[in-house]
Amino acid sequence: AQRVTQPEKLLSVFKGAPVELKCNYSYSGSPELFWYVQYSRQRLQLLLRHISRESIKGFTADLNKGETSFHLKKPFAQEEDSAMYYCALSRITGANSKLTFGKGITLSVRP
Amino acid sequence: EPEVTQTPSHQVTQMGQEVILRCVPISNHLYFYWYRQILGQKVEFLVSFYNNEISEKSEIFDDQFSVERPDGSNFTLKIRSTKLEDSAMYFCASSPGQGYQPQHFGDGTRLSIL
Repeated sequence: AQRVTQPEKLLSVFKGAPVELKCNYSYSGSPELFWYVQYSRQRLQLLLRHISRESIKGFTADLNKGETSFHLKKPFAQEEDSAMYYCALSRITGANSKLTFGKGITLSVRP
Repeated sequence: EPEVTQTPSHQVTQMGQEVILRCVPISNHLYFYWYRQILGQKVEFLVSFYNNEISEKSEIFDDQFSVERPDGSNFTLKIRSTKLEDSAMYFCASSPGQGYQPQHFGDGTRLSIL
């Protein structure tokens, strides 16, 4: 079974502070991990995926298979980062795989 | 940038009535999905669809649910006899094709069952 755990519901930081949004997963095979973001009144958007190993809007996430984690990090938070963040997992076995989401975390960046 | 569009944005229906939620996926995409999010809970997978048939469905997707791609552009989710617990936000998503292609989501339809 696939499972994604985001242990915190809310993270509130001041602008310029570092951010780490935690995500742990459970899956017997080789998963693909994603972070989706939902800004206020907007749709779910892909932020980044582990297979791309890229940095988007200053965010990075490294897949740690030993700890089964895919934490999202940003060294200096900006007010515009305030949003709902979802970690998600899909099977790596091919296309058309369903996404399994965590419960999401609200990031609030205060001025 | 092309987007997945969903209509209506909000649907209010009496319990026991049929409801159809509509989605227009991105035009060159081949894989289609429905997810739902009950208020305060996580986004849950319902069904995936490819080549005019269901590829995978969850336990939630029982006989009351059906999907269809009637005309090559729309992708619909039908709930035959709605229950109070069907109240949720329903998201449609589509993805391009082979390989590890990310899913693009619509804005969602808020379904309220009275």
